Amino acid sequence: DAMVIQNPRYQVTQFGKPVTLSCSQTLNHNVMYWYQQKSSQAPKLLFHYYDKDFNNEADTPDNFQSRRPNTSFCFLDIRSPGLGDAAMYLCATSRLAGAHYEQYFGPGTRLTVT
Amino acid sequence: DQQVKQNSPSLSVQEGRISILNCDYTNSMFDYFLWYKKYPAEGPTFLISISSIKDKNEDGRFTVFLNKSAKHLSLHIVPSQPGDSAVYFCAASQNTQGGSEKLVFGKGTKLTVNP
Repeated sequence: DAMVIQNPRYQVTQFGKPVTLSCSQTLNHNVMYWYQQKSSQAPKLLFHYYDKDFNNEADTPDNFQSRRPNTSFCFLDIRSPGLGDAAMYLCATSRLAGAHYEQYFGPGTRLTVT
Repeated sequence: DQQVKQNSPSLSVQEGRISILNCDYTNSMFDYFLWYKKYPAEGPTFLISISSIKDKNEDGRFTVFLNKSAKHLSLHIVPSQPGDSAVYFCAASQNTQGGSEKLVFGKGTKLTVNP
């Protein structure tokens, strides 16, 4: 089945130790997104790629970076994780369907910072 | 400064009855709205959407109503089933400078349907 895959599902990292979260898709969608969701909060968009074009949200901290080496893969790099970065990180992809983009989400990676 | 608000963190209903989940928004530029459903340990999945040119969209047991003047939308589930127990997110779609769209989410409402 075509899908959005996130690895790992659970990630534990130490305060200040760089960590990379991975997302892959078999949908061949041209747009990929990274959202951060803290407990009982709304998912918040960090950035997205439209093909190779990177679009950062204005309030995304510099500590968060992303790479998209090809259509299928997208990575979220957290350069120096702080305790406040513990959250669920959701990857999504989308394609234009009619007049709007349909977004498909992966299962998420839960990041714990110790 | 949340642009999409779901003021009820939780809702509990009996099986077979109607579930009504509410959502308010502040940005009058939003013109497309979506509801997503999320089970534990899974990502959100698309449920139903509505364009601002409509005031109602129906798909089986699910109906979304939009009141533009009040900047309010609601999701009705009837009849509710235990399998509908999940967190429901309201979202508004916003155009991006890059040419695609992004979603602005509410905090979600946890629905519990009791047998």
